[in-house]
Amino acid sequence: QVRLLESGPGLVKPSETLFLTCTVSGASVSTANYYWSWIRQPPGQSLEWIGSVFYSGRTIYSPSLRSRFTMSLDRSQNQVSLTLTSVTAADTAVYYCARAPAPYVPGSSGYYFDYWGQGTLATVSS
Amino acid sequence: EIVLTQSPGTLSVSPGDRATLSCRASQIVSGNFLAWYQQKPGQAPRLLIYGASSRAIGIPDRFTGSGSATEFILTISRVEPGDFAVYYCQQYDRLSSVWTFGQGTKVEVK
Repeated sequence: QVRLLESGPGLVKPSETLFLTCTVSGASVSTANYYWSWIRQPPGQSLEWIGSVFYSGRTIYSPSLRSRFTMSLDRSQNQVSLTLTSVTAADTAVYYCARAPAPYVPGSSGYYFDYWGQGTLATVSS
Repeated sequence: EIVLTQSPGTLSVSPGDRATLSCRASQIVSGNFLAWYQQKPGQAPRLLIYGASSRAIGIPDRFTGSGSATEFILTISRVEPGDFAVYYCQQYDRLSSVWTFGQGTKVEVK
């Protein structure tokens, strides 16, 4: 059973940096042909894809968010991390970690999020 | 960037009714990389449909995905009490390597 568990500080002050971690169990972040992604959802709003890191370490970011976000894999800890700099109140959201198979994974048509974490709320406030 | 527009914003139905949710893309979704998710309050989204029409593991057959190119439909043949939730469509653009979500359709009790 694949499980993803997000963790973070909960409360961050404006202009500071937000660090989030997604711990994966039941699967390896190094397994070929999977994307590990971060998606956020501001209160009462829709879902917003932030970016994805491929098993190889290659990263892709949303064009509208790219400059402030950094994602990476920690293979020794089987974790995916997200760093967001210069946070503002607009960054207050539930942040989800999710897995997406590439289309060459057997039985997959690719590029959908099959496993999600429970999400972690990050509130930006002084 | 491909924009997904879902309609209606809110759909009021009674248990046992048929529900039809629409997702329209601003450009052709190549490869039919279109998925549907269900989200209940306080929970993470759950994958229902991928590849426009393939049901995810454990999803009952009353959920059907259809469509192609720019027009996609999620049909719930007979709505059950546990189906009242918000539904999102999501696409992947192979040219730009960007994922996007629609704004959601809330299915509520009539």
